[in-house]
Formats: sequence, C-alpha cells, structure tokens
Amino acid sequence: KQEVTQIPAALSVPEGENLVLNCSFTDSAIYNLQWFRQDPGKGLTSLLLIQSSQREQTSGRLNASLDKSSGRSTLYIAASQPGDSATYLCAVSFGTGANNLFFGTGTRLTVIP
Amino acid sequence: DAGVIQSPRHEVTEMGQEVTLRCKPISGHDYLFWYRQTMMRGLELLIYFNNNVPIDDSGMPEDRFSAKMPNASFSTLKIQPSEPRDSAVYFCASSFGGYGNTIYFGEGSWLTVV
Repeated sequence: KQEVTQIPAALSVPEGENLVLNCSFTDSAIYNLQWFRQDPGKGLTSLLLIQSSQREQTSGRLNASLDKSSGRSTLYIAASQPGDSATYLCAVSFGTGANNLFFGTGTRLTVIP
Repeated sequence: DAGVIQSPRHEVTEMGQEVTLRCKPISGHDYLFWYRQTMMRGLELLIYFNNNVPIDDSGMPEDRFSAKMPNASFSTLKIQPSEPRDSAVYFCASSFGGYGNTIYFGEGSWLTVV
C-alpha cells in the first residue's frame, strides 16, 4: 500500500531556529514529491516540487531534499519566523507517470516569537 | 490571476438537502481536481478532470456524489442527499499538465451537514 507519513504531528520552535520537517513514503518508485503549506482556514500553497530525478530544490529559506532509496524527504527551514507557523504537508505521486497525489497528514509548526 | 476560486466558502445544510459546490480553475489550466479534507482521513482525491473530461472518479465515496465540468472555466461537485458524515472541507485545485507540475488549490468550501 502506498502511504506517506509525517512525523512529528506538531512542532514548536523559538524564532530564529533552523528546523527540519520529515516525510517518509513506502514505495521508492515515485514520480515526484511536493511540499505544501496550509494556513488555518485556507487552502494549500505549493512550496517546492521535486521531480524523481532531482535530489533537492531550494526556494528562499526553504530547502527540500529527496532520497528515494530510503523513502524519505526533508523540508529544511532556515532562520524560522513566526510567519512560518502553519501546517506543512508532503505529497507524493507514485509510479512512472504523474498520477494521484498521496498526502501525508502534515506537521503543524509553531514558531514562537 | 485570481487563483482557483471556490464558492460557497461556508455552507451549513440539513441532512437530506442537496449541496452544490462550485469551482473556477486558473485560466489555461487543463487539469482540475476535487479533494476532501477531514481530521480523520486527511486529504483525499475525489475526482479529477483533464480537458473537461473526468479521468478518475474512483475516490468518489458513493452515488450521492457527482461532479461535472461543462467547460474549461467551471466545475461543480454535487452531493444529493447530504449526510452528516459528508461534513468536511472540499478543495478544488488545478494545474497545467497534471501532477507533474505545481498544483494550485482554492481556499476550500467548508461544509457542515446537520
């Protein structure tokens, strides 16, 4: 069964800390992996998209890595800010073609001023 | 662009009533997705369209749910009759090229069936 897991479910850090969010998936045959951010009462905003052939993607203070062999991805947030507080979801498209996205249940991040 | 637009944002209805959720995708996008989010099950794909044609509706929970996309700029998700267990946030999303590219989500329709 294809599953995506995110641990921990919640994380609190003081402002300014660097932090890592984890995502694991059960099948190494993936097409791509996306990280999303969801603010309370809002939709999902795509942060980074990593294709199967890539090892990492960077956008500003965010860096996402992909290790297919171990079935893991990490989202690194540098110099965290209170505005980073949100739920972060990992989503994986399995197989050789882009098909359904399987979402993790997310990590709720709180950055304390 | 205004992004993916959904309406209504909030809906409270009585069990047995018909509910229609609406979505306007981003102009030029050829894929449209309907997702449902609950605390228990997280985000689940209900159905998706490519060029207005339904491709995969295996996630539609039962016959009470139906979705249409009459043209490239409009889609509806209908629940008839509604039940309390349908209470959830329903998201519409669109993309150009499907899951191979960035998916853009609307802000969701928060449905409560009492």
